[in-house]
Amino acid sequence: RKEVEQDPGPFNVPEGATVAFNCTYSNSASQSFFWYRQDCRKEPKLLMSVYSSGNEDGRFTAQLNRASQYISLLIRDSKLSDSATYLCVVKGYQKVTFGTGTKLQVIP
Amino acid sequence: DAGVIQSPRHEVTEMGQEVTLRCKPISGHDYLFWYRQTMMRGLELLIYFNNNVPIDDSGMPEDRFSAKMPNASFSTLKIQPSEPRDSAVYFCASYRGLGSPLHFGNGTRLTVT
Repeated sequence: RKEVEQDPGPFNVPEGATVAFNCTYSNSASQSFFWYRQDCRKEPKLLMSVYSSGNEDGRFTAQLNRASQYISLLIRDSKLSDSATYLCVVKGYQKVTFGTGTKLQVIP
Repeated sequence: DAGVIQSPRHEVTEMGQEVTLRCKPISGHDYLFWYRQTMMRGLELLIYFNNNVPIDDSGMPEDRFSAKMPNASFSTLKIQPSEPRDSAVYFCASYRGLGSPLHFGNGTRLTVT
């Protein structure tokens, strides 16, 4: 089993739709969690940290479920500019593990 | 604040040549990572340092690859001799503290012909 697993997609959704991504991790000792966004031919950029209590940033909501060992990202009212690859990241004591990414394409 | 700075942005070289990629982490960051990304294999961790000391180099493909961090503000990744299969985007990233996220540089796009 991979340490961090994501559905690679692609997710093709119309503008205005709500889309959700999940990411599962295998190491129960993992300590911190993040979602990154990567545009084609660019570096990954931090989208948001993920907390057990859930956190929201505008149209984006992230959630952590430690019992089931998964994190989620919800995008509401999706925009064309949201088209990108979304990577989940799990950090342990020193180790940082990236998921393979989920590709999102928002269609006009 | 200046982010992670990588140079060069693009490198085109011929097979067999030595290639040196450079990275300046964000000031105060004590962890530095080197990644390689290709369409086929995605983002691969090559090596990471903590306080300038290499911690895990198990991702370094082979002896042709070497990385150094002589001080807290500079790291190099060297490929000697380079091969066409080394063509990829190489990212450097840094962070400070266990709970903080990685910050990536813009990457070096390497093409070996």
